[in-house]
Amino acid sequence: ETGVTQTPRHLVMGMTNKKSLKCEQHLGHNAMYWYKQSAKKPLELMFVYNFKEQTENNSVPSRFSPECPNSSHLFLHLHTLQPEDSALYLCASSSTHRVGTTAYNEQFFGPGTRLTVL
Amino acid sequence: KNQVEQSPQSLIILEGKNCTLQCNYTVSPFSNLRWYKQDTGRGPVSLTIMTFSENTKSNGRYTATLDADTKQSSLHITASQLSDSASYICVVSGGWGFQKLVFGTGTRFLVSP
Repeated sequence: ETGVTQTPRHLVMGMTNKKSLKCEQHLGHNAMYWYKQSAKKPLELMFVYNFKEQTENNSVPSRFSPECPNSSHLFLHLHTLQPEDSALYLCASSSTHRVGTTAYNEQFFGPGTRLTVL
Repeated sequence: KNQVEQSPQSLIILEGKNCTLQCNYTVSPFSNLRWYKQDTGRGPVSLTIMTFSENTKSNGRYTATLDADTKQSSLHITASQLSDSASYICVVSGGWGFQKLVFGTGTRFLVSP
């Protein structure tokens, strides 16, 4: 619907498992983001990639490892997670252009992956 | 500290009624403010985006206002429908980078038949 797809939509994993979340955007954007959304908390920015280069790592634990092979694809590799990591993980993309003196960074979100860590 | 606060935290109204959601922010410098609608288990979808020079913007039955002097915004929903039930998130973009957004916690909005 928004041009950003995420798989899987739901994931249940044990603390010793290794899994990966995938995000793909079909909007021709150059920037991609990972967010964590926990109940009753604002969205937390985790990682930002701009033209495949990581420009932001918001003090995320090393058990979360992002990968951006190209501007259209973004992965989040998960290993040895904790139950408190259970949340909705959202991917977003945007272009980074300036119109006049105003910077627009309209972000388009995917549907999210609902992650449960047992 | 850059923050976005929304009120109320939750709201229930009858179908067909109007309502207004509030957003106060302390983000500086300011670039733009947007309202997102997020259905349960889905990603946020943009409703409106306003720069500091815009006072009001409409999208169908949704009308957003912005007062950059008092750093307040509101989202007015007219003739609410059951499909309006969702979380509404106020997001402010600062002028210090293309990617930095400050999110509110959202207002959980339920329309009752």
